[in-house]
This record gives sequence, structure tokens and C-alpha cells, in this order.
Amino acid sequence: GQSLEQPSEVTAVEGAIVQINCTYQTSGFYGLSWYQQHDGGAPTFLSYNALDGLEETGRFSSFLSRSDSYGYLLLQELQMKDSASYFCAVRNNAGNMLTFGGGTRLMVKP
Amino acid sequence: NAGVTQTPKFQVLKTGQSMTLQCAQDMNHNSMYWYRQDPGMGLRLIYYSASEGTTDKGEVPNGYNVSRLNKREFSLRLESAAPSQTSVYFCASTGQGNGYTFGSGTRLTVV
Repeated sequence: GQSLEQPSEVTAVEGAIVQINCTYQTSGFYGLSWYQQHDGGAPTFLSYNALDGLEETGRFSSFLSRSDSYGYLLLQELQMKDSASYFCAVRNNAGNMLTFGGGTRLMVKP
Repeated sequence: NAGVTQTPKFQVLKTGQSMTLQCAQDMNHNSMYWYRQDPGMGLRLIYYSASEGTTDKGEVPNGYNVSRLNKREFSLRLESAAPSQTSVYFCASTGQGNGYTFGSGTRLTVV
């Protein structure tokens, strides 16, 4: 089976940097994705890492270490609108199926 | 582009009633998915369709059925609703890229 672990809550101040970690156990691995979900909204795609290393998209970066079964999402220059839940998800077969973690609720304070 | 459209947005059912949740995408995506999300939790896969004409069970398929009507539409049916099926249901689709596009969700309450 698959399991993903991420912290349930993280709090940070506006303008700061925050890192949300994700460790996974899976029978097969194709890549790690990150999604953002605001309260009452739908998840939206942020990033996908298939290879080791850092992928940067604006203020958000995502990192993957396949040997450590570990990844993280890095949010820089935090803004109030970044307050949301963030989910890591493992793609574990060629069929593009995703298994999601339980989510990390990020609260950004002024 | 509308993306992924789900109907209805809200629904209240009595135990034992049946209903079908509709999902349609206009992005020409091959793969479509149904997930449920319970309060404070991640998304769990109910059923998926890797391509038109195929459907497969996900992590929590019991109590549900699906139909991939054509490439655009993927419906989820609850034959006899139970209170344990109270949840938010999300439909999603993906094409050649690596990200899912989600619909806005259906908030279902079974009383």
C-alpha cells in the first residue's frame, strides 16, 4: 500500500519562508505532486517532481529526494492569501493515479 | 474554458436514496477520477477511468458505481446512500501533463 506523512499544521508570518515536508512509502513511484486548497475550494495543482532536485515556480519551489522517499514544498515571501491547505500526492503507476497525504494547514499571520 | 464542471454543488439525501453525481470536462483529457474528501482529511480515490471505455476501482469503491459515458463525461452513482457517504466529492481530469484539474466539488449530506 501507500502512505504519506506531512505535518497537520504550520504557522508562519507574512513575508517569511516556510517549508512543508512530505515523506512517503509506496510500492512504486513515478513522481510527487503538490496541491493547494483554500477552505471551501477545490485543490489546484502547484508542482510535480519526477526527478531528484529542486523545481522553482515563482515564490513556490518543490524538492524531491527519491532515495530518501522525501520531498518538500517551499513557500517564500509568504502572503496572507497563501493561507490554505497543502497536499502532497504520490503518482505510483503509469496510469496517473494519485494517492494524497492528509494535508498541511498553513496559517499566515500578519 | 469551463475546465471540469460538477453538478449538483450541494445535495441532501435520505438514507437509502440513490443519486448520480455528474462530471464533465472540456479539455480533451483522457483520464478522469472521482475522489471523496472528509473533514480535515486528504482525498481518497473512489474510482477512475484511464481512458474512454475503461473504469477501475480506487481505494474506497464500496457503495459506488461509475460510468464513463464518453470522453467528456464521468458520472458517479450512489445506489443506496448511507450516512458514511456524507462527504465532499471531487471529480478531476488529466491529460498528457502531470497535474490534475479538479471540479468545484459536490457537498453531499446523507441523513
